[in-house]
Amino acid sequence: EDQVTQSPEALRLQEGESSSLNCSYTVSGLRGLFWYRQDPGKGPEFLFTLYSAGEEKEKERLKATLTKKESFLHITAPKPEDSATYLCAVQMASGTYKYIFGTGTRLKVLA
Amino acid sequence: DVKVTQSSRYLVKRTGEKVFLECVQDMDHENMFWYRQDPGLGLRLIYFSYDVKMKEKGDIPEGYSVSREKKERFSLILESASTNQTSMYLCASSAGRQPQHFGDGTRLSIL
Repeated sequence: EDQVTQSPEALRLQEGESSSLNCSYTVSGLRGLFWYRQDPGKGPEFLFTLYSAGEEKEKERLKATLTKKESFLHITAPKPEDSATYLCAVQMASGTYKYIFGTGTRLKVLA
Repeated sequence: DVKVTQSSRYLVKRTGEKVFLECVQDMDHENMFWYRQDPGLGLRLIYFSYDVKMKEKGDIPEGYSVSREKKERFSLILESASTNQTSMYLCASSAGRQPQHFGDGTRLSIL
């Protein structure tokens, strides 16, 4: 069964304490993997797209990487404003443009 | 910038009512999607559309229908609202294999 699993479910960090969020997937062919940030009461905001193993993307304190089975979102020296839920989604190679979403990691960065 | 607009941020309806949720995008995207988001379950796809007047069922279409008469507008209809349809509803749009872009959601309560 096609599946996307994110870990941990929740993460508390001190400001400046770097860490990584994990998104592991089992799908029959990957067209793309997407990372989103979601603030409370708002829709997901697009961060990164990764298409092939070995690819990396960076934006400010965030860096996303992709292997054949998982993706990591690395957060370097986080700030309180990085607190949000981070969602991972996989678009499969076959058929339509459907996504499979993980349930997200709730990140809290303490000042 | 990409803009997906959902007609209501908050909505309260009664069981048995017919409910319409509207979504408009301004990017000329061919694909549009309706999701619901519930704690612990993540985003689940209700319906999507890849062209005007075209639609496909997602993972949880029961109790819902959709309408896409114009490219920029995608409506979700709850035929006879029930309390288990209380949720956050998110609309998204995309072009081809490009990322989906989301609106800010409608928090719907069915009493």
